Amino acid sequence: GQNIDQPTEMTATEGAIVQINCTYQTSGFNGLFWYQQHAGEAPTFLSYNVLDGLEEKGRFSSFLSRSKGYSYLLLKELQMKDSASYLCAVREGDSWGKLQFGAGTQVVVTP
Amino acid sequence: AAGVIQSPRHLIKEKRETATLKCYPIPRHDTVYWYQQGPGQDPQFLISFYEKMQSDKGSIPDRFSAQQFSDYHSELNMSSLELGDSALYFCASSLGADRTLKNIQYFGAGTRLSVL
Repeated sequence: GQNIDQPTEMTATEGAIVQINCTYQTSGFNGLFWYQQHAGEAPTFLSYNVLDGLEEKGRFSSFLSRSKGYSYLLLKELQMKDSASYLCAVREGDSWGKLQFGAGTQVVVTP
Repeated sequence: AAGVIQSPRHLIKEKRETATLKCYPIPRHDTVYWYQQGPGQDPQFLISFYEKMQSDKGSIPDRFSAQQFSDYHSELNMSSLELGDSALYFCASSLGADRTLKNIQYFGAGTRLSVL
């Protein structure tokens, strides 16, 4: 099994930057995924990291440090529609793809 | 682009009844995953199938069973329903389950099951 920890909630204003941290302890590691989920809707894929470093995709960037068991998702130029839950998910090294999710970070964007 | 289709979107059942949830993966995707998400909780992995064979098993109760058919769609069968089974059930699909590849999982809109 594994533990995945991320903050419960974060609040930021429109146009600002928010960084969501995720730490994990796993028996094996084969990739870390970030998903966005609006209430009652399906999780939507945002980013994937398997090697150390930064992956940038538009307003969203994700960083991974495998030695530290640490990742973050950076959301830039926040928009009201970015208000959602952000889920950190780890794929175990010995699994055929199943994801272990963190509890999610609720991001609230204020005007 | 075609996405993962789940049916029904909403389902209301009584205790001890049975339910069948269906999932149609993205065309050409050969792997499906089932997750259960309780209110205010993160998705919990139940089971997955690759090329019609079970590939992974998570915290799926013995009362539940699932299979993947020749057209790659999958069904989750739930029997002797309990109040605690009320949740959002997501299906996700990916192209391949090779753990050396990215294999992004794309999620369907979910089936909301309410057990009364």
